[in-house]
Amino acid sequence: GDSVTQMEGPVTLSEEAFLTINCTYTATGYPSLFWYVQYPGEGLQLLLKATKADDKGSNKGFEATYRKETTSFHLEKGSVQVSDSAVYFCALPQGDDKIIFGKGTRLHILP
Amino acid sequence: GAGVSQSPSNKVTEKGKDVELRCDPISGHTALYWYRQSLGQGLEFLIYFQGNSAPDKSGLPSDRFSAERTGGSVSTLTIQRTQQEDSAVYLCASSLMAGVDEQFFGPGTRLTVL
Repeated sequence: GDSVTQMEGPVTLSEEAFLTINCTYTATGYPSLFWYVQYPGEGLQLLLKATKADDKGSNKGFEATYRKETTSFHLEKGSVQVSDSAVYFCALPQGDDKIIFGKGTRLHILP
Repeated sequence: GAGVSQSPSNKVTEKGKDVELRCDPISGHTALYWYRQSLGQGLEFLIYFQGNSAPDKSGLPSDRFSAERTGGSVSTLTIQRTQQEDSAVYLCASSLMAGVDEQFFGPGTRLTVL
């Protein structure tokens, strides 16, 4: 069945460091791919998405490219900030009824 | 406008008691989803509604779990005879309609079963 695998956390970086959070997927067909973010004390919110192969989603300085050949959707940011500390979830929709989420990667950014 | 709201935000209950969790979706959203977020387990899909009907209930963990939605708006998730393994954060989400990519999530209800 469809699944999402993302790197385990926690990930701890210093401010202004480069960030990569790996995500690979298994899916039938070519679904949209998402990154959701959960800031401390807040609900999940969509960070970015890509709807087809080679699409790049971007938001708030984060980027992820839909790579069909490697079935990957890695999240990157060139210079992280303390305010980026959160839990990040890679996800893909399955049919009309649900989103399959990865287990989440907790990111800590040190000032 | 208002986002998805859930109540209560926290619930502590004793093993064996019943609990009811409420979700108010974004106005005009016809699709509503329930997920469970357990420590170290990620997010687990429970059930979704399109309007008032729930086409697939197979994601509910056991027959102690039930959900309903009336008037195409508010939904309640009921857990009967709670067990300690039911402790988790229960998240509700809504979208304009089923099959639309983006789901908007509420802040969740943290359930602790003692």
